[in-house]
Amino acid sequence: KAGVTQTPRYLIKTRGQQVTLSCSPISGHRSVSWYQQTPGQGLQFLFEYFSETQRNKGNFPGRFSGRQFSNSRSEMNVSTLELGDSALYLCASSLASTLQRGDQYFGAGTRLSVL
Amino acid sequence: AQSVSQHNHHVILSEAASLELGCNYSYGGTVNLFWYVQYPGQHLQLLLKYFSGDPLVKGIKGFEAEFIKSKFSFNLRKPSVQWSDTAEYFCAVNALTSGTYKYIFGTGTRLKVLA
Repeated sequence: KAGVTQTPRYLIKTRGQQVTLSCSPISGHRSVSWYQQTPGQGLQFLFEYFSETQRNKGNFPGRFSGRQFSNSRSEMNVSTLELGDSALYLCASSLASTLQRGDQYFGAGTRLSVL
Repeated sequence: AQSVSQHNHHVILSEAASLELGCNYSYGGTVNLFWYVQYPGQHLQLLLKYFSGDPLVKGIKGFEAEFIKSKFSFNLRKPSVQWSDTAEYFCAVNALTSGTYKYIFGTGTRLKVLA
């Protein structure tokens, strides 16, 4: 069974540009969550999608957005990139219909560098 | 606001030493508790979890954690570490927030085991 797949693995962008990251969850998983991982801050929750609906959102500015498609694949978009957006962006999928008890399975992440 | 604190940011141990990594959370309601591990170059993966029942939970690779409700703690332990335990360890809480469950992660503890 294939794991969570994130593409691309690495991205280099410049300030002001926008970027789209992709996540394909484990087959059958309908919940997809996104996290930003930075040294010293750990993992910070961005948002969670379930059946194409955003169910929960973290404390990030509106420049961070996402969506989920009918096949459960999810994309995350960051517009007007800032230097501070440089981070490892992780996607996690879950089988459970709620996050209450669902185990999350993480992808390898997309490392974004903003110059 | 809910938070998860991991007070040890870096830990260095020799092989066969005992390990205890601290995790405290601030949330008064029902929580589910997790420890995740990220080995160098690998995905974040679940080490162990607590939902209810016996507060001493056992995970993979000889790790265990004890939930002490009165102390809001969920410390990770291993009696004898190995060089292969070198990794970053994250404590996480899954709690009901504004009607939905979401994960809150600690900032991580980097463990280095010397051979």
